[in-house]
Amino acid sequence: DIQMTQSPPSLSASVGDRVTITCQASQNIRNYLNWYQQKPGKAPKLLINDASNLETGVPSRFTGSGSGTHFTLTITSLQSEDAATYYCQHYYDLPPTFGPGTKVEIK
Amino acid sequence: EIQLVESGGGLVQPGGSLRLSCVASGFKFNDHGMHWVRQVPGKGLEWVSVISWNSGSKHYVASVRGRFTISRDNARNSLYLEMNSLRTEDTALYYCVRDSLTVGPNAMDVWGQGTTVTVSS
Repeated sequence: DIQMTQSPPSLSASVGDRVTITCQASQNIRNYLNWYQQKPGKAPKLLINDASNLETGVPSRFTGSGSGTHFTLTITSLQSEDAATYYCQHYYDLPPTFGPGTKVEIK
Repeated sequence: EIQLVESGGGLVQPGGSLRLSCVASGFKFNDHGMHWVRQVPGKGLEWVSVISWNSGSKHYVASVRGRFTISRDNARNSLYLEMNSLRTEDTALYYCVRDSLTVGPNAMDVWGQGTTVTVSS
């Protein structure tokens, strides 16, 4: 199975800060990578598919990049409503595994 | 409104069985593959199973293979997960999830609110 790792496990940042979350795959997954946001008590929400395609309705401050084994999710200007846990997930093959998550807190 | 509503969760003893259901609305159900994804409270997400639009392909995570069975009824816009020989480690919130395409896995673009399964004596 392909293993997904994320860093950092958690971070605390201020409103307006630029935040970057890293996701690494244990082997080349090309661009078969999605990002999800999960707020406390809620189901996950798809933010980005194919590593860099923003889902309809997702604010443009969210950007995804990368290919192969190294990917990033960037929030260019953090807002209070962005407090959540963010997961990457590959779909290169089966099983489609998720990263362990990065918890983003607002200072 | 696009919606997935799960039901069927509950408390069951180890070795027992449970059948989860998910009813879809607001979209053409048979245009999409469907998944079950689970989450232990306070922990991360674990993909469990996927079924293609026509039930022609089904896949499972290794830890449930042979114990869980995914199925769907397109006439009823419904997805199911039959869970047998349940273990304490199957305790989790189970999400019904839509795949963006007819055969997954791809992006998981619509999620239900989940149904809780607790396996305990």
